[in-house]
Amino acid sequence: NAGVTQTPKFQVLKTGQSMTLQCAQDMNHNSMYWYRQDPGMGLRLIYYSASEGTTDKGEVPNGYNVSRLNKREFSLRLESAAPSQTSVYFCASSEGGGPYYEQYFGPGTRLTVT
Amino acid sequence: KNQVEQSPQSLIILEGKNCTLQCNYTVSPFSNLRWYKQDTGRGPVSLTIMTFSENTKSNGRYTATLDADTKQSSLHITASQLSDSASYICVVSFQTGANNLFFGTGTRLTVIP
Repeated sequence: NAGVTQTPKFQVLKTGQSMTLQCAQDMNHNSMYWYRQDPGMGLRLIYYSASEGTTDKGEVPNGYNVSRLNKREFSLRLESAAPSQTSVYFCASSEGGGPYYEQYFGPGTRLTVT
Repeated sequence: KNQVEQSPQSLIILEGKNCTLQCNYTVSPFSNLRWYKQDTGRGPVSLTIMTFSENTKSNGRYTATLDADTKQSSLHITASQLSDSASYICVVSFQTGANNLFFGTGTRLTVIP
């Protein structure tokens, strides 16, 4: 039982390049989330998927797109990377989408955009 | 404005000593409050979760308290160990919705021998 896995662990991009961050969970959770963590700031929600087949914007969605490929997988795409997107990205999952459900986090992807 | 503020930003203590971390929030309506531990280079891991009606919750050497009237919480670590070195993040939830967590910026704890 690996929990939440993310690939890659590290990535360096040039401005304007695109990439997809992958996330998978093996806990049969319905809801999945993408966050970014920047120095001096709390985690901020980019997008979330309350259930398979649905996605919604979070606090900071600009410059990102997501795909809920199936119940296990939730990917985050940067179409044209910008230096402001340099951050650590965390994927999380929970059994349900309400405030009473525990969110389990992956190990993170450290992205640098030059 | 919904906010979660933590203090101190960083803390250094000797191994074996106790410490207390603080969290103040303005999130309303309030659902629950969580404390997470985040080791360097890892994702956050839940330590405790407390609802409005709970004022204390323990997890081993970690004890969280909540005063919903003053909107304050604390995390007390007893007999610290080197492995307690990490960031501790306070997270407060709205009552409804999936997009409902407010994260503090964390307290960076360093335990030295």
